[in-house]
Amino acid sequence: EDQVTQSPEALRLQEGESSSLNCSYTVSGLRGLFWYRQDPGKGPEFLFTLYSAGEEKEKERLKATLTKKESFLHITAPKPEDSATYLCAVQDTSGTYKYIFGTGTRLKVLA
Amino acid sequence: SAVISQKPSRDICQRGTSLTIQCQVDSQVTMMFWYRQQPGQSLTLIATANQGSEATYESGFVIDKFPISRPNLTFSTLTVSNMSPEDSSIYLCSVEERGGSEAFFGQGTRLTVV
Repeated sequence: EDQVTQSPEALRLQEGESSSLNCSYTVSGLRGLFWYRQDPGKGPEFLFTLYSAGEEKEKERLKATLTKKESFLHITAPKPEDSATYLCAVQDTSGTYKYIFGTGTRLKVLA
Repeated sequence: SAVISQKPSRDICQRGTSLTIQCQVDSQVTMMFWYRQQPGQSLTLIATANQGSEATYESGFVIDKFPISRPNLTFSTLTVSNMSPEDSSIYLCSVEERGGSEAFFGQGTRLTVV
């Protein structure tokens, strides 16, 4: 059964203090791994898709990386507006097109 | 990316009643998904809705409780039937565009059952 585990559950950073969020996954065959940002009261906002081990994607202060067992979302010099819940999801190759989501990391960046 | 409009954005409903949530997409999409997000928790897939076929429900969700319509490639509805306070949650519509793999989400419907 596909599984996604995210850590830590919550993270508080000072503005400018870089860190990484972890997403460990178990999947029969990986079609894609996805990172989303969710602000309170809103739907998840798509950030990145990663397809194979070794792949990296960047967007502003965020960089996502992928290995065969886990993905990291690196946040460089975060700002208060980066505060949000970050969700990781996987989609397998079974053909069902289901996304399995982790429970997310709640990030708070303090000014 | 697809623009997804969900209605209503929030509602407070009496127990025993039903609420229908609408999801409108600005482009034709093959895959549409309905999720539930309970307070402080992640997203749980309710069902996958493909145009022209019956929705496929996940374990723990049944058609009598969550009937879904998918009349065309840009629209779907989810009904939450015979509601109880345990149905209080955020319900999210999601689509996967043709030829793409990432899913995009609507803003969600915050449902409170009293």
